[in-house]
Amino acid sequence: GEDVEQSLFLSVREGDSSVINCTYTDSSSTYLYWYKQEPGAGLQLLTYIFSNMDMKQDQRLTVLLNKKDKHLSLRIADTQTGDSAIYFCAEDLYNQGGKLIFGQGTELSVKP
Amino acid sequence: EAQVTQNPRYLITVTGKKLTVTCSQNMNHEYMSWYRQDPGLGLRQIYYSMNVEVTDKGDVPEGYKVSRKEKRNFPLILESPSPNQTSLYFCASSPDRGEPYEQYFGPGTRLTVT
Repeated sequence: GEDVEQSLFLSVREGDSSVINCTYTDSSSTYLYWYKQEPGAGLQLLTYIFSNMDMKQDQRLTVLLNKKDKHLSLRIADTQTGDSAIYFCAEDLYNQGGKLIFGQGTELSVKP
Repeated sequence: EAQVTQNPRYLITVTGKKLTVTCSQNMNHEYMSWYRQDPGLGLRQIYYSMNVEVTDKGDVPEGYKVSRKEKRNFPLILESPSPNQTSLYFCASSPDRGEPYEQYFGPGTRLTVT
């Protein structure tokens, strides 16, 4: 079945870059997503990438997609303490409108 | 304000006592879903609904029921809660067409079953 895998924890120093990695199995996904969950809150869509793209940049965020290896990454430049959160990658399922498969989430800890 | 609301936010109950967690969205979304979030397991889908009167099982439906009588509401029912249903629950909604699918999440309901 469909599966999305992420490492559980990442710790970085303030000002460094963070790279969060994700692998997925469903090659028919149209979009891949990154959601952010701040402490005590629900998830919010952070960014997404169309499956035909290799890279998408949005201010401090860079998403890289390697379709051959089914590998997705999220790079956060100049990481700030306010970036501390859990980051989930997700893929949509072809022809099942609205359904997303989420990874386990990576808890990013940013130390001053 | 476009939002998904859930009630209650926190609930402590005892084994076997039926409970309902309500979910409501004001965005006229067709698709609604319930997830549970457990440490190390991420979000797992419990049930989803593609539209009114259309519901289907997700990945972990055992012990849960849902209904979708109106487009805006999607309550989660635990007929006989057990301690292994202690978890953080999220309701989400999205339009069912027009990718990308941005799911809008409620604030979460933390349930403890003793």
